[in-house]
Amino acid sequence: AQSVTQPDIHITVSEGASLELRCNYSYGATPYLFWYVQSPGQGLQLLLKYFSGDTLVQGIKGFEAEFKRSQSSFNLRKPSVHWSDAAEYFCAVGARYSSASKIIFGSGTRLSIRP
Amino acid sequence: NAGVMQNPRHLVRRRGQEARLRCSPMKGHSHVYWYRQLPEEGLKFMVYLQKENIIDESGMPKERFSAEFPKEGPSILRIQQVVRGDSAAYFCASSPVPHEQFFGPGTRLTVL
Repeated sequence: AQSVTQPDIHITVSEGASLELRCNYSYGATPYLFWYVQSPGQGLQLLLKYFSGDTLVQGIKGFEAEFKRSQSSFNLRKPSVHWSDAAEYFCAVGARYSSASKIIFGSGTRLSIRP
Repeated sequence: NAGVMQNPRHLVRRRGQEARLRCSPMKGHSHVYWYRQLPEEGLKFMVYLQKENIIDESGMPKERFSAEFPKEGPSILRIQQVVRGDSAAYFCASSPVPHEQFFGPGTRLTVL
């Protein structure tokens, strides 16, 4: 069965510092991988996705993520965070070879920005 | 092209009442998904529908919950005889093809 683990519940970084949010998945083959961001009281916005090809994926708002098959990871990175990046971040996995294309979400990482 | 629309945004019900949550997918999208988010948790898949068909309802509670996506009109998530544990944010997503999902703003259900 698919599963997603985000080991960090809450991370605080200083504005301008670099960021890496960890994500590990469990799936029998190469899944579809996503990162979403959720601001308080809001819906989810897709930051980036990996379907195939280049394992380094560029997303919106200056975010990128790298798919590492050997580590079953899809960590999200940003070289310099802004105060507006404070939000909840969800890693998610979708089944590649299933007609039932539900997405399985991790439990999320809350990002706080220190001024 | 308007995004995924959900209404109401906030819904308050007393225990035992019915809750109806509506989702209008993006234009041209024929796949709809419902997710539930409990406080301080991630989203949990509930059901996946295409027009007039339920494709995967493996995440739906066995009782009181139902979903439909008729040929015309929005998708409806219906919760009968609500209980306090149903209080959550319910998100709808739509996609033109499987896997690439666009999320609505959610409906926050509070059961008193």
